[in-house]
Amino acid sequence: GAGVSQSPRYKVAKRGQDVALRCDPISGHVSLFWYQQALGQGPEFLTYFQNEAQLDKSGLPSDRFFAERPEGSVSTLKIQRTQQEDSAVYLCASSGGTGVFSPLHFGNGTRLTVT
Amino acid sequence: AQSVTQPDIHITVSEGASLELRCNYSYGATPYLFWYVQSPGQGLQLLLKYFSGDTLVQGIKGFEAEFKRSQSSFNLRKPSVHWSDAAEYFCAVVPTGANNLFFGTGTRLTVIP
Repeated sequence: GAGVSQSPRYKVAKRGQDVALRCDPISGHVSLFWYQQALGQGPEFLTYFQNEAQLDKSGLPSDRFFAERPEGSVSTLKIQRTQQEDSAVYLCASSGGTGVFSPLHFGNGTRLTVT
Repeated sequence: AQSVTQPDIHITVSEGASLELRCNYSYGATPYLFWYVQSPGQGLQLLLKYFSGDTLVQGIKGFEAEFKRSQSSFNLRKPSVHWSDAAEYFCAVVPTGANNLFFGTGTRLTVIP
């Protein structure tokens, strides 16, 4: 597609429910990142994939957060037993290279509200 | 502690006026430096970046930024602001040896006619 696509655009979950957020990167892009952006804050790094390999998951806030990219393309961020503090916009970004010199292309995000 | 700071939470300027958004970083070695813009309902868009070389960097939409090592700063400027520049602006860094972005808390720009 023309850009990074994220779905759903909005998600409301009751506390304790599991959610799955999808990211379709630009076709052929090797690198994929997930960020969490709380209200009034800058995005915070969650995890990084290079193709199907999850090379860095140091930003995942707890073991309730899990990300995968099984075929090196689409990625899913799963949050189990959601809590109110999980309410945020989740951003996905992809790039064609493997280093910081490759521009990142961001999706429009998924806004998660936990009630 | 390592950090990137944007001291101004919200700035209001008149259309046609000049703009400067501040960014300071605190890292042992000079990181790679970026400015992103986020318009309502839109994804983050890269305005410009600094890796090395000329300390005055030109970006898209008429923006420029100047890297000042002595001040650990990377301020964003535009000589004449347009109403369409109203958005949230984020300074970001990639520290030496890292491979992901660390963002500041953002500056919200309001443009008044």
